[in-house]
Amino acid sequence: DAGITQSPRYKITETGRQVTLMCHQTWSHSYMFWYRQDLGHGLRLIYYSAAADITDKGEVPDGYVVSRSKTENFPLTLESATRSQTSVYFCASLLAGVAEQYFGPGTRLTVT
Amino acid sequence: AQSVTQLDSQVPVFEEAPVELRCNYSSSVSVYLFWYVQYPNQGLQLLLKYLSGSTLVKGINGFEAEFNKSQTSFHLRKPSVHISDTAEYFCAVSGEAGTALIFGKGTTLSVSS
Repeated sequence: DAGITQSPRYKITETGRQVTLMCHQTWSHSYMFWYRQDLGHGLRLIYYSAAADITDKGEVPDGYVVSRSKTENFPLTLESATRSQTSVYFCASLLAGVAEQYFGPGTRLTVT
Repeated sequence: AQSVTQLDSQVPVFEEAPVELRCNYSSSVSVYLFWYVQYPNQGLQLLLKYLSGSTLVKGINGFEAEFNKSQTSFHLRKPSVHISDTAEYFCAVSGEAGTALIFGKGTTLSVSS
């Protein structure tokens, strides 16, 4: 189906483990974004990518790594998960020259 | 740098009453403005957007917003709310197309009968 998908939708992991959140879009949008949502903070930008192999930090990048080898995929990796990374993570994509972003359904991550 | 301030963290209203959710932004450049809604345990849904043109923007579910450049505001309104409008509402701003969204901290709208 066309659109933007995220997997897994729910994840529980332990402190110190590596975990990767996947994001896939079928529109061939050039821009992709990762946000985290925390109570009292709204959504904050973690990383973004303007095209394959081009990524840049957002407001809260510490503890996260991204890659973009293919236009349609933008995985987010927590190298060593911490409890402060318990959050809901949203991926979004954007067509170049257009202002509106399209959001995935989110991944709820709990770090114990 | 851009920023967004949602002036009310919680807005309780009775069903069929009017509601206004306030949003102010700061930016040194032209902006695009958005309102998103998030129903409990769901993702973000775009309510409406201002890109250019008419300052009164109509969105889904009977919501509308007015862009006021002099007051740097983009308040969301609905003349008569329903129980089903209970949700979290986020105001967001972006600069030129291709830039990330800057979100406000959200306003919880609670509609009771």
